[in-house]
Amino acid sequence: EAGVTQFPSHSVIEKGQTVTLRCDPISGHDNLYWYRRVMGKEIKFLLHFVKESKQDESGMPNNRFLAERTGGTYSTLKVQPAELEDSGVYFCASSPLSHGNTEAFFGQGTRLTVV
Amino acid sequence: AQKVTQAQTEISVVEKEDVTLDCVYETRDTTYYLFWYKQPPSGELVFLIRRNSFDEQNEISGRYSWNFQKSTSSFNFTITASQVVDSAVYFCALSEARGSGGSNYKLTFGKGTLLTVNP
Repeated sequence: EAGVTQFPSHSVIEKGQTVTLRCDPISGHDNLYWYRRVMGKEIKFLLHFVKESKQDESGMPNNRFLAERTGGTYSTLKVQPAELEDSGVYFCASSPLSHGNTEAFFGQGTRLTVV
Repeated sequence: AQKVTQAQTEISVVEKEDVTLDCVYETRDTTYYLFWYKQPPSGELVFLIRRNSFDEQNEISGRYSWNFQKSTSSFNFTITASQVVDSAVYFCALSEARGSGGSNYKLTFGKGTLLTVNP
């Protein structure tokens, strides 16, 4: 069974440009999460989808970030326009709906560098 | 607010040594979950363990063991007889526990501990 896959693995863009990150969760996982790790800091929660609905987007830094999950399958995270402080590793995770907490399965991350 | 502290930024050991990674957490919730994840050089976060706040039994899985102490809000991770393949960044994380019918909830991570096991 394929795990969580993220594309691209690396992206280097100039300040002011737009970048779109993609996440394909494990098939059948209705929960999908985006996290970000800025250099030397904690991995921080960005938002949570349940199917195609945004359950919690309290971690989104500002309105330059837009996440979508049309059809409840893969998700995209667009940064427009990118700023230097957006550099970091963006992780996606997925988990099945359940009656208790289950572990989230993470992808390998997308390393974004804004120059 | 929830918080996870991993005071050890980097640890370096020689192969076959035992090593303990510390994790201290803060939460106002009475029910919560604690996790450890491993991030090898390939980058993905690999799940190691989940512990419910009501279950204070220590757990052992091969060379890995976890010591959960609610009284000190700690969830430490010990690797016995470390190996070079254990070299990675290890993250401790905390989440709320949802009620029945609820789904998984967001994780609060520590900053991670970089473990280097030298041959």
